[in-house]
Amino acid sequence: EIVMTQSPATLAVSPGERVTLSCRASQSVSRNIAWYQQKPGQPPRLLIYDVSTRATGIPARFSGSGSGTEFTLTISSLQSEDFAVYYCQRYNNWPPPFGGGTKVEIK
Amino acid sequence: QVRLVQSGAEVKKPGASVKVSCKTSGYTFPRYALHWVRQAPGQGLEWMAYFKIGNGNTKYSPKFQGRISIIEDISATTIYMELSSLRSEDTAVYYCAREIDITIFGIFSVWGEGTTVTVSS
Repeated sequence: EIVMTQSPATLAVSPGERVTLSCRASQSVSRNIAWYQQKPGQPPRLLIYDVSTRATGIPARFSGSGSGTEFTLTISSLQSEDFAVYYCQRYNNWPPPFGGGTKVEIK
Repeated sequence: QVRLVQSGAEVKKPGASVKVSCKTSGYTFPRYALHWVRQAPGQGLEWMAYFKIGNGNTKYSPKFQGRISIIEDISATTIYMELSSLRSEDTAVYYCAREIDITIFGIFSVWGEGTTVTVSS
């Protein structure tokens, strides 16, 4: 079973900064990686799938990259509404595991 | 507008069962599979189960095998997830989620609002 590991667990960032979140798979997952954003009291929201395809309505400041086992979610200029927890996920296989999440908080 | 509306919060005693509903609207119900994902307090997301509308094809996480079942009511465009033999570790928010595409397993583009299940004696 594939394990997804995210780092760091918490990241303190100032608004306007560039943010890079990492996700590592225990074995190659091709391009079957998605990213979600979750704010307190809300369900997750799909941001990115197929490594780098933005979901409908997702701003261009969110981008994804990577291949094989190493993946990155980048927020080019952090906005106030981007403070949240971010999860990566492997899909197109069973089970579809989530990473443990990275919390982006205000510095 | 695609929507998933879940049933309300539940409080259960250890050993009991809970049944959570997920009412769908805004799309052709049998076309997309639905999943259940849970989140314990302060913890991450945990995938539980997949259910294909119409043929009843299911996949369950080994962690819940034997304790979980899912049924559909096509006329009501609703699915129901039942988890039995509840223990305190099952205290969590339970989400239903719809796949983004019928050909891709496990990308969740639409989520319900979540149902809080509390297991306490």
